[in-house]
Amino acid sequence: QVQLQESGPGLVKPSGTLSLTCGVSGGSVTSNTWWSWVRQSPGKGPEWIGEVSQSGTTNYNPSLKGRVTISVDQSKNQFSLRLTFVTAADTATYFCARNFQPDAFDLWGRGTLVTVSS
Amino acid sequence: DSVLTQSPATLSLSPGETATLSCRASSSSYLAWYQQKPGQAPRLLIYDASNRATGVPDRFSGSGSGTDFTLTISRLEPEDFAVYYCQQYAYSRYSFGQGTKLEIK
Repeated sequence: QVQLQESGPGLVKPSGTLSLTCGVSGGSVTSNTWWSWVRQSPGKGPEWIGEVSQSGTTNYNPSLKGRVTISVDQSKNQFSLRLTFVTAADTATYFCARNFQPDAFDLWGRGTLVTVSS
Repeated sequence: DSVLTQSPATLSLSPGETATLSCRASSSSYLAWYQQKPGQAPRLLIYDASNRATGVPDRFSGSGSGTDFTLTISRLEPEDFAVYYCQQYAYSRYSFGQGTKLEIK
C-alpha cells in the first residue's frame, strides 16, 4: 500500500531554511490527488502548511505565505517543503499527508521533529 | 479565519462507556475527525461529518451539520483512549481544533 516518509535535517539554525522531503512509496505522486505538509508543535493541534498538486500547483496557509515553498518532483516520486527565516516558533513535528476528498487527509507519514536552535 | 472549538478539553471515561465529543465551527463546511496517539500521526476516522474512513470500526460515528458536529465512540475499548481532533477547510486554509483528550477514568 502507499506509504509516505519524511526526511531532512532535525536541527535548523534561527533565520535559516528548513527543508524536508516526503518520499511516496507503493504509489505515485502523479496520482489524481493533492499532497500536503502539516506541522504540530508539542501539546497543540496540527497546523496545515500548504499543498501541491501532481502538476505543481500550490496553495499555502496565509499565515505562512511568503516563507513557504512546496514543490513536487515526479521523477523522484516525492514532494518537498522549504520554510525560510525560521524561528523557535517553527519548532514542531512536520508531517506529510495525502489529501482526501472532501477536504481531509487520509494518509500520513510518521512525522519528523525539526528543532530551530543555534 | 476558521475557528474550530472542541469540547470538552478532557473527557474521563471507563472502557465500555460511550464518549461524546463536540466540535463547533465558525463556518459551514465539510468536517473530518482524527484520532492521535502519542508519537503517532493523526489517523482519519470520519470525513464529510458522518462517513467512516476505511478500516474504522463502526463504534465510531459522526453526526451534525452546519456548524455543530459530534463524534460518538460507543463501547469504549482500551485502544480508543487518545486525543481527537476535528478539521475543516474554510477561508482558503485547512484548520484543526485544539483537541479533546479522552483518558481512562
